[in-house]
Amino acid sequence: NAGVMQNPRHLVRRRGQEARLRCSPMKGHSHVYWYRQLPEEGLKFMVYLQKENIIDESGMPKERFSAEFPKEGPSILRIQQVVRGDSAAYFCASSAGQGSYEQYFGPGTRLTVT
Amino acid sequence: GESVGLHLPTLSVQEGDNSIINCAYSNSASDYFIWYKQESGKGPQFIIDIRSNMDKRQGQRVTVLLNKTVKHLSLQIAATQPGDSAVYFCAENKGSSNTGKLIFGQGTTLQVKP
Repeated sequence: NAGVMQNPRHLVRRRGQEARLRCSPMKGHSHVYWYRQLPEEGLKFMVYLQKENIIDESGMPKERFSAEFPKEGPSILRIQQVVRGDSAAYFCASSAGQGSYEQYFGPGTRLTVT
Repeated sequence: GESVGLHLPTLSVQEGDNSIINCAYSNSASDYFIWYKQESGKGPQFIIDIRSNMDKRQGQRVTVLLNKTVKHLSLQIAATQPGDSAVYFCAENKGSSNTGKLIFGQGTTLQVKP
């Protein structure tokens, strides 16, 4: 049973470019969460999605950031017009249910904005 | 406010000793707590969880204790090994929101001396 998969593992973008981060949940999981981690800090919740629905986006910046989890294919976290402050590790997690269910994390995508 | 905090940023223990990592949370409505281990360059790895209707739960070499009276959570690792060296995060899920959003603490670095 493959775990949560994320790609790319490392992504370098120049300021103003777009970044697309992909996440495939564990088999059988339909709940996906995105978190951001700055160096030497804990993870900060960004968004929670189920297939074709955004359930909770309370942690998403108001501009430039968007997320989707289509009926087919991986979940995508999209950052438009990246700035240096977007440099961080972005982790995706999946779970089998909502609420008190174990969330399993992927290896993360490390975004560097130059 | 909402916060999950850790008492000590770094814990250094001798190989073979027991380790205790502490965590405080502020929201009495939280009903689900998880401990994660994160090694350098990797995603958080699920260790153990506990629901608020319990005060103790044991796994393999690990025990989580929950004290709801003082809103305190601890992770005990028995016979600590070099492979246990990592950053440990506690996280809480707020029962009131129940969307699966996890609130993470800042992390405690565990260093195991041979």
